[in-house]
Formats: sequence, C-alpha cells, structure tokens
Amino acid sequence: LAKTTQPISMDSYEGQEVNITCSHNNIATNDYITWYQQFPSQGPRFIIQGYKTKVTNEVASLFIPADRKSSTLSLPRVSLSDTAVYYCLVGDRGGSYIPTFGRGTSLIVHP
Amino acid sequence: GAVVSQHPSWVICKSGTSVKIECRSLDFQATTMFWYRQFPKQSLMLMATSNEGSKATYEQGVEKDKFLINHASLTLSTLTVTSAHPEDSSFYICSATTPSLNYGYTFGSGTRLTVV
Repeated sequence: LAKTTQPISMDSYEGQEVNITCSHNNIATNDYITWYQQFPSQGPRFIIQGYKTKVTNEVASLFIPADRKSSTLSLPRVSLSDTAVYYCLVGDRGGSYIPTFGRGTSLIVHP
Repeated sequence: GAVVSQHPSWVICKSGTSVKIECRSLDFQATTMFWYRQFPKQSLMLMATSNEGSKATYEQGVEKDKFLINHASLTLSTLTVTSAHPEDSSFYICSATTPSLNYGYTFGSGTRLTVV
C-alpha cells in the first residue's frame, strides 16, 4: 500500500491559489491518486482523482508528474469556506482496495 | 448519485448501554462498506471492512465483540457499539463502494457518539 506524505498544515488568504503537494514514492502501476476534503464533524468529500498528467474539474486541478511519485492539488482562488483538511489517497480501483487515510493537510484560509 | 446516508448524526448514551449506527447507500448497491473512527484532530482510522452477506473483517486492535458490524443487505450496514464507555466517544464514519462506481468511495456524514 503506497504511503503518502503531506504537509501537516498550510495557511492562505482569500483569493489566492493554494497548492498542496503529496508524496507517494512507492506508488504502484495500477494506483490512482484521489483527494478528499473534510470539514469538521463531516465525512470526507471527494474532490478529484487522477492517474497521470493533469486533471481538472469545477473545483480543483490535480497535477501529476511523469514519475507519479508526487501529486499536487491546486485550489484556485480559495475562499474562507475552503478551510478544511485535505487528504491524499493512493490505491488501485480494484475491489481489494481499502481507502486508508494519512494525516492530511489542514488548510486555513484567512480573510 | 452515489449518496451514503448515515444515521444518527449524533447520539448521547449512558455508559454501559449499546448504540446502533446505520449506514445506507441510497442510490446504489454497496458491495463493500467500511467503518472508520476519528478522534479530535486526528485522521480517520479504519475499524472494519464489511461485504454484504459475510462477516466483517476487523483491523488489528479493534474489538469485534464490542463493535458489531452487520451488512445484511446491499444497501445497509450497521455498527453497534456494545456496552459503550466514555473512551468510545468519537466520530464514526462509514463509506461504501461498488463496481458500478468504478470503485469510487462515498462517505457518510458521520455520527458523533458521546458516552456519558
């Protein structure tokens, strides 16, 4: 199971772009990278998933270099409501995969 | 689509009593469900994995006789905390998946359990 490493915390200001990097040096060939967002007293919410290069949806972008040993979640123009914990998970999409959470990154957005 | 409903959202119980938490997949059939526990300022810790119609697989250190998991149907899994004690107070979260979601994982909104 690929282990992930993220910064414990980050601070930003409203309107800025935030990039959170996750290291996953032993990612396997079949592994995908998935990011979740969690607010206090709520379950995690899916943000974005990718395998390689770049993925973009309405809320975020995910950048994955060619070696796939890291990934960067990019949140454009954050607002106060983006204050949350962000988790990077790595695993294949087969039936045996069990989502295992690391410590996550606590993002605080300041006015 | 892919909504998981968890109930109750919070519960307070007396020490020594049992509490049941329900996790339902509303618009899909969940072949596998997971139960997590989260203490304040900590990450989600996997407690057990349950497949419909079979016994749950518990993580090391999780007492299966204390945390009873039943996954009797493809849309419902329950976690019963038996003989609850204050140290069982935590935030419990379920997750569900199925091949039709390409193994995407959807999480419930969580249950805050307080044992007094």
